Amino acid sequence: GAGVSQSPRYKVAKRGQDVALRCDPISGHVSLFWYQQALGQGPEFLTYFQNEAQLDKSGLPSDRFFAERPEGSVSTLKIQRTQQEDSAVYLCASSPRTGWKKFFGPGTRLTVL
Amino acid sequence: DAKTTQPPSMDCAEGRAANLPCNHSTISGNEYVYWYRQIHSQGPQYIIHGLKNNETNEMASLIITEDRKSSTLILPHATLRDTAVYYCIVVIYNQGGKLIFGQGTELSVKP
Repeated sequence: GAGVSQSPRYKVAKRGQDVALRCDPISGHVSLFWYQQALGQGPEFLTYFQNEAQLDKSGLPSDRFFAERPEGSVSTLKIQRTQQEDSAVYLCASSPRTGWKKFFGPGTRLTVL
Repeated sequence: DAKTTQPPSMDCAEGRAANLPCNHSTISGNEYVYWYRQIHSQGPQYIIHGLKNNETNEMASLIITEDRKSSTLILPHATLRDTAVYYCIVVIYNQGGKLIFGQGTELSVKP
């Protein structure tokens, strides 16, 4: 069956541009997570949704980062006025219920020039 | 969330068992031990999890000490495709059970 998909897989942005990264979770999965992974590091938690409710956004590094999941399925992570330090792989994960194992997508590699 | 400590790297011969240790001495009674791995350029992949009993599935076995302060992930017959970074994570089932990744162990399986 289909897993978690993310698009685009690669994104190059000039410093100061806005970007939007999309996550399509597995159908019916209640929980959705976003992670940021810098080169050579483990993934770092950004934010968590249960259905359409954003229950935890403690990991968002600044107010330039915004995530939404308006209908409780597809989610978008938006980064405004991108900076070079935003260059990373952005991973999305979903799970069928709270606390269950997570299924990760392949990630979007963002490069900010 | 409890912190975990893992060796940064390990080698294993192909066909042999790979035993990956993890220390989680501050784990609390309602926290689970989860293992994920990340093959180069892919998203993390769930392997196995447990609370206090040993667990086995088609991928691996998880041995948790009686005091729950450490655990070992066992890949019984490592193959080259098992080369990856392995993360041991302690998870509490609130806030969706979010995963806090450490640096993990980079396992290299050699022919």
